[in-house]
Amino acid sequence: GAVVSQHPSWVICKSGTSVKIECRSLDFQATTMFWYRQFPKQSLMLMATSNEGSKATYEQGVEKDKFLINHASLTLSTLTVTSAHPEDSSFYICSARETPGQPQHFGDGTRLSIL
Amino acid sequence: QKEVEQNSGPLSVPEGAIASLNCTYSDRGSQSFFWYRQYSGKSPELIMSIYSNGDKEDGRFTAQLNKASQYVSLLIRDSQPSDSATYLCAVLGFNDMRFGAGTRLTVKP
Repeated sequence: GAVVSQHPSWVICKSGTSVKIECRSLDFQATTMFWYRQFPKQSLMLMATSNEGSKATYEQGVEKDKFLINHASLTLSTLTVTSAHPEDSSFYICSARETPGQPQHFGDGTRLSIL
Repeated sequence: QKEVEQNSGPLSVPEGAIASLNCTYSDRGSQSFFWYRQYSGKSPELIMSIYSNGDKEDGRFTAQLNKASQYVSLLIRDSQPSDSATYLCAVLGFNDMRFGAGTRLTVKP
């Protein structure tokens, strides 16, 4: 149980393109989803937390107009990187939890490369 | 002081040895503790959870919790090369899960 699906796995696109990443909880209802970014050989960096039906809460230093998060249902959250630039190239990982007392379960991540 | 601290390593052990991974946390009110394993280029995978003081064993893995000392550890017995990964300690407070930076473990054949 507790499967989180993330799509796509890889994205390569030109600078200035907007990229949407989907995160789905397949066998549970995720009241909260989290979006992380990880650069090579560095630790996870929490970008934002989203609760279903509410606006996402962004961590300090994360531009909410650049990283648009939508959590419209209990099984789907999306992260859109708007007008992506090479410095946005990274490994983006979502996670989801059913209730506050439960652990987070991670998707497989999306490797984003902006040329 | 970081909320969840781990020795970044790298920790290197020979195959068959016991690997000991340690974690301390600052929020004394934390109730739930987790260990995740992250292989290079992959996302974290939950491998252990522990909620009360003492030891919890699952196969070759043993999680140990001491709330008085605000300390949680993960022991891996009979370490295998396939255990080589970064291990993340995670602590659940009132509403937030906080991750340590991870300890990189290498098991040498």
